[in-house]
Order: sequence, then structure tokens, then C-alpha cells
Amino acid sequence: GNSVTQMEGPVTLSEEAFLTINCTYTATGYPSLFWYVQYPGEGLQLLLKATKADDKGSNKGFEATYRKETTSFHLEKGSVQVSDSAVYFCALASGGSNYKLTFGKGTLLTVNP
Amino acid sequence: KAGVTQTPRYLIKTRGQQVTLSCSPISGHRSVSWYQQTPGQGLQFLFEYFSETQRNKGNFPGRFSGRQFSNSRSEMNVSTLELGDSALYLCASSLVLEVHEQFFGPGTRLTVL
Repeated sequence: GNSVTQMEGPVTLSEEAFLTINCTYTATGYPSLFWYVQYPGEGLQLLLKATKADDKGSNKGFEATYRKETTSFHLEKGSVQVSDSAVYFCALASGGSNYKLTFGKGTLLTVNP
Repeated sequence: KAGVTQTPRYLIKTRGQQVTLSCSPISGHRSVSWYQQTPGQGLQFLFEYFSETQRNKGNFPGRFSGRQFSNSRSEMNVSTLELGDSALYLCASSLVLEVHEQFFGPGTRLTVL
């Protein structure tokens, strides 16, 4: 079955530091990959997505590249801000189950001023 | 355009009771999915509805059920509540048949005492 593994948190960084959150997946077929962000007390917001190999998703300074050869979709940001503090979820949708998302466990990011 | 709305936002029930949660998707969205979020299990898929039909169901007991109305609004019901049902229940809606982008509501926080 489908599965997503992302790095355990929590991750604590200082403002303007470089961020990487690792995500690898197992899936049948050719999945679409997503990063969602959840701010305290809120639902999930789509941060970025990539639907085929070598696609790069980007939004708000965050980037992730769909790497089929390594089955990875790592999230990166060059300079984090305090406002980026949130929980980040890697997710995939694949094959005949395109109408459901499989999520990783989530990574809590805290950015200190 | 209004986002996905969920009611109520918070709910406290006791063991053995039943509960109904409501979700109104974004206007024009016909697919509605439900997820359970807990600290231990993370985000788990419950079920998905499209045009009043359940298309996919996650691995949850029969106490968890749902339905969708002709206006795409959806409800989920949990009967004979257990302590372990305490969770954040998230609803997501999607415009297209296959989920390349799901929009999440703020969730309903259910506490079972």
C-alpha cells in the first residue's frame, strides 16, 4: 500500500536559517505529491504540489522537487521566519485512490526570533 | 469565495453517545473527504463522497458512517462513542474527480469523556 515517511520532529531553528524537512514515499503507479501546513488551531492548507517526476513545487519561498529515482519530495526554504512555525505534512495521492490522501506523521517546526 | 466550513467547531460527548458532524464544501466542489487526526495515529482517511455516493472508505469500524446530500454538504456520524474517538475531524473538498488539490476546513474537535 501507499505510505509516506517524513523526518521526526520537532525541528527548532533560528530566524533566517535554512530549512529541510525530508519526505520519502512508497506508492503504486505515479503519485502526486503534496506538502500541507497546519498552523495552531487551524485546518490544513496546501503549501505546494508536484504531479509528475522532476516537477518542482514552490510557494511562499518553500520548494520541493519530485524525485522519482529516490522516491523523495523534500521540503526546503532558504530563510525561515517566525511566522513559518507550524506543523508540516507530506502527502501523496496515487493510482486508483486519487480521491484520498496518504499523510506522513507531520513535522513540528518552531522558528525562534 | 467561502472556504470549507465545519460545524460545530468543538464538541464534548460522553462514552456511548453518538455524534453528527457537518461539513459544507466550497461552492461547486462535489467531492468531500473526511479525515481523523490524532496525536498517536496522525491523519487517517475515513471516507470520501462524490455526488452522494461513497467512493472510498478507510479502515475504520462500522461505527463511523457518513453521507452526502444533493447540495454536496456532508455529514459524518459516530455511534457508541469511545474514548479513543477523541480527535480533530477534518473535512476536505475538491473540485475535480481526482484529488490534485483538496481544500480543508478548520475541523471539529471532538472530546469524548
